[in-house]
Amino acid sequence: DADVTQTPRNRITKTGKRIMLECSQTKGHDRMYWYRQDPGLGLRLIYYSFDVKDINKGEISDGYSVSRQAQAKFSLSLESAIPNQTALYFCATSDPLTASSGANVLTFGAGSRLTVL
Amino acid sequence: AQSVSQHNHHVILSEAASLELGCNYSYGGTVNLFWYVQYPGQHLQLLLKYFSGDPLVKGIKGFEAEFIKSKFSFNLRKPSVQWSDTAEYFCAVTRNSGNTPLVFGKGTRLSVIA
Repeated sequence: DADVTQTPRNRITKTGKRIMLECSQTKGHDRMYWYRQDPGLGLRLIYYSFDVKDINKGEISDGYSVSRQAQAKFSLSLESAIPNQTALYFCATSDPLTASSGANVLTFGAGSRLTVL
Repeated sequence: AQSVSQHNHHVILSEAASLELGCNYSYGGTVNLFWYVQYPGQHLQLLLKYFSGDPLVKGIKGFEAEFIKSKFSFNLRKPSVQWSDTAEYFCAVTRNSGNTPLVFGKGTRLSVIA
């Protein structure tokens, strides 16, 4: 089984629909992240969480919300999807042994491709 | 805020050619630097990292990168590329002061032709 599992892997939806992308990890990491990848724009941080009670906005949090249900689970929601949220979404976790020094070595999930029509 | 610049959007090389991908960052303090690779249809994987010490770091698959503090650069190199190196390469930086997530560059797509 993968260390970081994302579901669904692919989703097509319509404008205005609510969408949830889920992420679960078996690495025991406290820190989890949601990034969005767009061609030519690289990865941009949406939200991150350093523990179950900690949620932080990233560079592009507008239009998104997150929930850290447990140490192992971090879900991303689009309350009312719009076409410019069409992208590849990655969940990642970071190594607790190095994260405290700022050396966040990330482990990525396989990605969730979302298309909003 | 930190930023990362990758100068080349798309690089096309023949097999056995040498590779150098540029990366510059904006933060003036102590940093940790990374190169991640994304093969077609796959997720990002760590290629190499710099935390401290020897500024020339070696990663997997024959890649290396050199940290030049005075130039705020962390360029990726490989002496002889293979067709299997076709991928997208991302430079990333984080402050070595605690709780700041990675900031990624926009990526460089490498196409290696036989």
